[in-house]
Order: sequence, then C-alpha cells, then structure tokens
Amino acid sequence: DSGVTQTPKHLITATGQRVTLRCSPRSGDLSVYWYQQSLDQGLQFLIQYYNGEERAKGNILERFSAQQFPDLHSELNLSSLELGDSALYFCASSAPGADSPLHFGNGTRLTVT
Amino acid sequence: GNSVTQMEGPVTLSEEAFLTINCTYTATGYPSLFWYVQYPGEGLQLLLKATKADDKGSNKGFEATYRKETTSFHLEKGSVQVSDSAVYFCALRAAGAGSYQLTFGKGTKLSVIP
Repeated sequence: DSGVTQTPKHLITATGQRVTLRCSPRSGDLSVYWYQQSLDQGLQFLIQYYNGEERAKGNILERFSAQQFPDLHSELNLSSLELGDSALYFCASSAPGADSPLHFGNGTRLTVT
Repeated sequence: GNSVTQMEGPVTLSEEAFLTINCTYTATGYPSLFWYVQYPGEGLQLLLKATKADDKGSNKGFEATYRKETTSFHLEKGSVQVSDSAVYFCALRAAGAGSYQLTFGKGTKLSVIP
C-alpha cells in the first residue's frame, strides 16, 4: 500500500460531461502530481502542486484543471470530455527533493462513451 | 529537456531465465533514477532507485546501476519468476523550473512463462 488514495476507481461518463477525480496524498507529503496513462501516449505528466500552489504544468489540456486544498488533498477536473480522454489517471505524492521517489495511487480508470 | 528511452517490448522469457531491460536517459544536471513496476490492474510501485553515479539499486532480486558515463540504468534479474510478469518503467527525476516530476520511459512489458 503506497498510502496514496484515489477515488473513484472507475468512472464511466458520456462525451461533453465533466468529472472530478480525487486524490489524498501520503501523510506528510506536500507535493501532488497527476499523470495520465493511455495506450498510445504512455505516462504523461499533467500537473504538480506543492503545498497548495501550482508548481509545474506538463501536457495538460485547457479543458482540464486541478487544485490542491489546505488539507493537501487534490482534485483533477476534466470537462467537455472527449472519447480520447479515456485513460487511467494516476495521482502521486512525494517528499521534497529529487532523491525522493513518487508514490502512486492505484489510479482512476475513466471511460468516455 | 529530460527524456528516458527503454527497450521496446514485449519481452517473453521462460522461468529462471536472465532478464535485462535496457534504459538510457538524457537529462541536465544530475538526475535520480528509478525503476517502477506495474502489475496488471494496479498502480505503479517503486522497484528500486539510485541517486548518484555508480550507485546500485536493488530490490526483490532486481538490480540496476547508475552509469553516468553511458547515461544508462539497465534493469537486471538473474532468475525471473512467473510472478515477475508486469510492465516495467524506467524514470528519472531532475530539478527543472522548480519542479521534480518524474519523466518516464514508455514501459517494457515482461511475460514469464512456466
């Protein structure tokens, strides 16, 4: 058990809809990262938060947004969903410093129909 | 920018065979290097790490040595088991624009047959 909790495990929704994915980081970790895993693109970094502030942006679409709350949990909001957004979305957390590994949750599998 | 290249799979081995999965990287500065494993239907788990040149990471019989001169971090195991069947990801973590996100290779799927 990594200590990172993601909900829900599965999400099925229709095109054009909006969903929210939730992540609780490991106790004590201030950084939260969101990744998208799809068959054709592999693991793509979306966005990072550190202690409530956005720290870095990767390949995140404008239709997607995220935030980290004072209790350090994070939410990833996906709107105007398209078929191509179907993927596994992972949250990870870490302690500060490049030596510290990222610890991943089990992911949310999003299916857009 | 940072990038990781790992050998394409899938790799199919018989039980007790020797495993090597090649990984090379490009990064500015001195990255930390990681191998993650993803079992079917699960998230990514840290397998091992190395944080400086010539460090050897090891776990569960897997090993990888941080080779700065060849910018490589190849994963090896002397005798694989059926339970090692999974997807293996090489990754690096380096500072850039104030962030320490992981950059992943595309993953190598390993199947071990009895």
